[in-house]
Amino acid sequence: GAVVSQHPSRVICKSGTSVKIECRSLDFQATTMFWYRQFPKQSLMLMATSNEGSKATYEQGVEKDKFLINHASLTLSTLTVTSAHPEDSSFYICSARIQDFMYFGPGTRLTVT
Amino acid sequence: QKEVEQNSGPLSVPEGAIASLNCTYSDRGSQSFFWYRQYSGKSPELIMFIYSNGDKEDGRFTAQLNKASQYVSLLIRDSQPSDSATYLCAVAPQAGTALIFGKGTTLSVSS
Repeated sequence: GAVVSQHPSRVICKSGTSVKIECRSLDFQATTMFWYRQFPKQSLMLMATSNEGSKATYEQGVEKDKFLINHASLTLSTLTVTSAHPEDSSFYICSARIQDFMYFGPGTRLTVT
Repeated sequence: QKEVEQNSGPLSVPEGAIASLNCTYSDRGSQSFFWYRQYSGKSPELIMFIYSNGDKEDGRFTAQLNKASQYVSLLIRDSQPSDSATYLCAVAPQAGTALIFGKGTTLSVSS
């Protein structure tokens, strides 16, 4: 089946620094990828839709200047958390959709100290 | 605001029993419906999808959809301890759009 990878799987950073998370579609081209965030005991919340070659579409309440998304190729989307703070600590999951099926990456656990 | 509602549980069933998980959604125009299983600390994995009213069976899993009632359910027969996880109901408002997830129901199967 389709595979979506993410890197890193786990990252710890200091408050005020920036962190980049990569999402790759390994055996298919994805013109659209989605970034979700999940806090403990909560559901997946859509942050933004990443479109290859154009600007990302952000959900209401998500700061586009803080969560920078770049979808430079058909197989790679990146999420950069800028000036991270402890409240940004969460599980970040990317996904790509082929027809009706959504394939998820393994997720990135971000801890901001 | 498009919403997907699930009972958070926990739902506890003994091994071998049938587990029944329910989900309602607010957008009547939703096209497709999914059930994902998520183990603690892992990302969701797709276990069932359904588009049409009625039942769809795959092994021990049966998904049921009632569009008139805006209701989706998942039945797990012969529940196993390895089925213990959080089950997320997801709805696609339109083809190609992001899925909207419920908060998930935690299932615990005791041996």
